[in-house]
Amino acid sequence: KAGVTQTPRYLIKTRGQQVTLSCSPISGHRSVSWYQQTPGQGLQFLFEYFSETQRNKGNFPGRFSGRQFSNSRSEMNVSTLELGDSALYLCASSEGQGPQETQYFGPGTRLLVL
Amino acid sequence: AQSVTQLGSHVSVSEGALVLLRCNYSSSVPPYLFWYVQYPNQGLQLLLKYTTGATLVKGINGFEAEFKKSETSFHLTKPSAHMSDAAEYFCAVTPSGYSTLTFGKGTMLLVSP
Repeated sequence: KAGVTQTPRYLIKTRGQQVTLSCSPISGHRSVSWYQQTPGQGLQFLFEYFSETQRNKGNFPGRFSGRQFSNSRSEMNVSTLELGDSALYLCASSEGQGPQETQYFGPGTRLLVL
Repeated sequence: AQSVTQLGSHVSVSEGALVLLRCNYSSSVPPYLFWYVQYPNQGLQLLLKYTTGATLVKGINGFEAEFKKSETSFHLTKPSAHMSDAAEYFCAVTPSGYSTLTFGKGTMLLVSP
């Protein structure tokens, strides 16, 4: 099976702009989670979608949002970008059957906000 | 709230030496525990996980970890380091009922010849 894919891999934006990142999960996986990775804060959970519904949400401002489509592909959107949003955004997929499952990560999208 | 502490942001070993990366967790209920590895410019790859059953868990690339409930620890070991093991290692936990991974800050493993 193909792994988790994320597009684009690299992105440069300026403050105030918005950005949309895309994630395609492993075939058959219905859960998609998003994580932000920065040198200062490490890996932090953003949100999880399962069967098009947001199931869990991390402690991020409302500028961060996401959605999941019927084919399990997911997008996350960040509006009104700030310098501190520069990070590696990782998407992970699983079958969605519980916390004991392995989450499979994509290569990430590296976002630079200038 | 659950948390994970990884002792040492950097660990240096010589090729062929024992690798020991430390992870302690805080949890009011037995958690599920994971070790992931991240190579430069890549995502995370699962090394091993503990869910239930045997407390000594074997993973890929010769790594293993032991779940010790009394010490709330899940340390990662490998008997003999290889140059290709140089990477960043993350310990993570999921609380019962949720699929959210809570990660430690990570430990960068440096392997010298």
